[in-house]
Amino acid sequence: QVQLVESGGDLVRPGGSLTISCALSGFTLSDYYMSWIRQAPGKGLEWISFISSNGGTKHYADSVKGRFSISRDHSKNSLYLQMNSLRAEDTAVYYCARGSAGGQWELYFDTWGQGTLVTVSS
Amino acid sequence: DIVMTQSPDSLAVSLGERATINCKSSQSVFYSPTNKNYLAWYQQKPGQPPKLIIYWASTRESGVPDRFTGGGSGTDFTLTISSLQAEDVAVYYCQQYYYAPSLTFGQGTRLEIK
Repeated sequence: QVQLVESGGDLVRPGGSLTISCALSGFTLSDYYMSWIRQAPGKGLEWISFISSNGGTKHYADSVKGRFSISRDHSKNSLYLQMNSLRAEDTAVYYCARGSAGGQWELYFDTWGQGTLVTVSS
Repeated sequence: DIVMTQSPDSLAVSLGERATINCKSSQSVFYSPTNKNYLAWYQQKPGQPPKLIIYWASTRESGVPDRFTGGGSGTDFTLTISSLQAEDVAVYYCQQYYYAPSLTFGQGTRLEIK
């Protein structure tokens, strides 16, 4: 059974840092592109980052570029998002999502986790 | 950035009636060498993560009821639910993946029962 389980969401002060995780099961991490997508309270979906199946390619939305870093650990079958210089507008539920088996040119998301809430507030 | 605009923002339809949601992209998401539209639709029920229902603009994901139909090409797309069921109450999002690595979603359309 394919499953994604996020963890690590917390209350963080503006300017602070946090790393969230996504534990994957039921498929081989090295076969898929993976993404982080967030949803601010009561708002829509915003794609923020993806990482290629071999980890060699990473892309970020302009809103997080230079502040967030995506990574993956194949030995732990996990995906991570390191978030620095956090701002109030980063407050959101963060979802990890699996890209389709087609790779970078077929980046729709066929499996999503339940999400983890990151709140940035003083 | 490619902007995806959905209409309407919210929609109320009677049970058993047809519901149609529109999605317009600011640039074409059709790629002629593959003859495909790089557009997906998701359903998000309250308190749940989004669920993929349509990809390649018109291909239903496995397990999705056939009352869900995706259509359109180029810049204009539709998601149609032929006979609305109570379990279809949700927010629906379109997403383009033509302009990867920049991926964008529509703002969402809230579908309710009239």
